[in-house]
Amino acid sequence: GAVVSQHPSRVICKSGTSVKIECRSLDFQATTMFWYRQFPKQSLMLMATSNEGSKATYEQGVEKDKFLINHASLTLSTLTVTSAHPEDSSFYICSASRAVQETQYFGPGTRLLVL
Amino acid sequence: EDQVTQSPEALRLQEGESSSLNCSYTVSGLRGLFWYRQDPGKGPEFLFTLYSAGEEKEKERLKATLTKKESFLHITAPKPEDSATYLCAVQATNSKLTFGKGITLSVRP
Repeated sequence: GAVVSQHPSRVICKSGTSVKIECRSLDFQATTMFWYRQFPKQSLMLMATSNEGSKATYEQGVEKDKFLINHASLTLSTLTVTSAHPEDSSFYICSASRAVQETQYFGPGTRLLVL
Repeated sequence: EDQVTQSPEALRLQEGESSSLNCSYTVSGLRGLFWYRQDPGKGPEFLFTLYSAGEEKEKERLKATLTKKESFLHITAPKPEDSATYLCAVQATNSKLTFGKGITLSVRP
């Protein structure tokens, strides 16, 4: 199998605080991990691509200082939303692949609500 | 710019009523076309990858086909548990996935 987990599944925070979301590949080594954002009834929007041991590549329009991504090992990537604001409320989903061009397996997602 | 268009936006079927979901795409150098299933509040679940025109893949009641311009996801004799949103995505030579908006399938018992 190819199982990816995310933690937490749901988080509520106050405006101005930071939130960290973890993404783990449980049964395979993920050279590449991706972070997406999804709005209701919309398609997944790629935020950034991270390769183990190197800096993440952010998509145009995504603030790298606001969405900090770390991919410190072959099984773990983290997304930290810094100084969160209500407009950051969304469904964040990670995916992992054995190599950048291979099939992406998705985590269950994290629902973030910023009050 | 890579584009994926899925139709219809929503589809309601009676249990056992077969149908097809369409995914039209334009991409600069197709590396692969992916179908995922997404249940409400969950992440996408991988179904199929198709790499070249003419390729077909099957899994239980689902069969995916690919041409140079579109892909179809055929659902044979669907059951209520097949109700979900089906996402199509294309992977270009830069390895990024471009997703369509999805097709929400509802199967009535």
